[in-house]
Amino acid sequence: QVQVVQSGAEVKKPGASVKVSCKASGYTFTNYGITWVRQAPGQGLEWVGWISPYNGNTNYAQKIQDRVTMTTDTSTSTAYMELGSLRSDDTAVYYCARSGSYPQDASDFWGQGTMVTVSS
Amino acid sequence: QSALTQPASVSGSPGQSITISCTGTSSDVGSYDLVSWYQQHPGKAPKVMIYEGNKRPSGVSNRFSGSKSGNTASLTISGLQAEDEADYYCCSYTGSGVVFGGGTKLTVL
Repeated sequence: QVQVVQSGAEVKKPGASVKVSCKASGYTFTNYGITWVRQAPGQGLEWVGWISPYNGNTNYAQKIQDRVTMTTDTSTSTAYMELGSLRSDDTAVYYCARSGSYPQDASDFWGQGTMVTVSS
Repeated sequence: QSALTQPASVSGSPGQSITISCTGTSSDVGSYDLVSWYQQHPGKAPKVMIYEGNKRPSGVSNRFSGSKSGNTASLTISGLQAEDEADYYCCSYTGSGVVFGGGTKLTVL
């Protein structure tokens, strides 16, 4: 069965970086994309970006593109999202999800979410 | 890219039908048949209910349907049930990325 499991909660200081992992199983990792979405406490969903494990192509949200890097390790079927120069408004639950071969494709299997707290 | 516009809340009684609107622009909702709808219960990850405007994933009840007119997409839930109470988010391709709506809280009275 398809599963997406994310790494645990993180607490970081402003200006630091965080790297969240997302391990997929139960399907051929390179046949699907991985989408990242975040949700600040009590707020709505915000699209962060998408990566293709097949060829490494990425598509980042304009608002965050200068601070985010998405990568994959096909040998372990794991995707990573690294966010740098952290600010307090980056505090959110970060979700990864399996999606399609294009950034606009819907996401069908989601991870449990990773809480990232940015605080001095 | 501005968020898509959704009503903050809607409500309905069990058995009734409700519709949630999602208004964008001619650059996103109006240009692509690529609107998705997600359901999110408190403390849980989102779940896709509709994709590509009007397609239902396997396992999603046929009480959920999607449509579009111009720059506005809509999610209709018929035969409302208590378990439908949740937050609902629309999502559209913009040509260069993806944008979500602000979310709608559905209350089943």
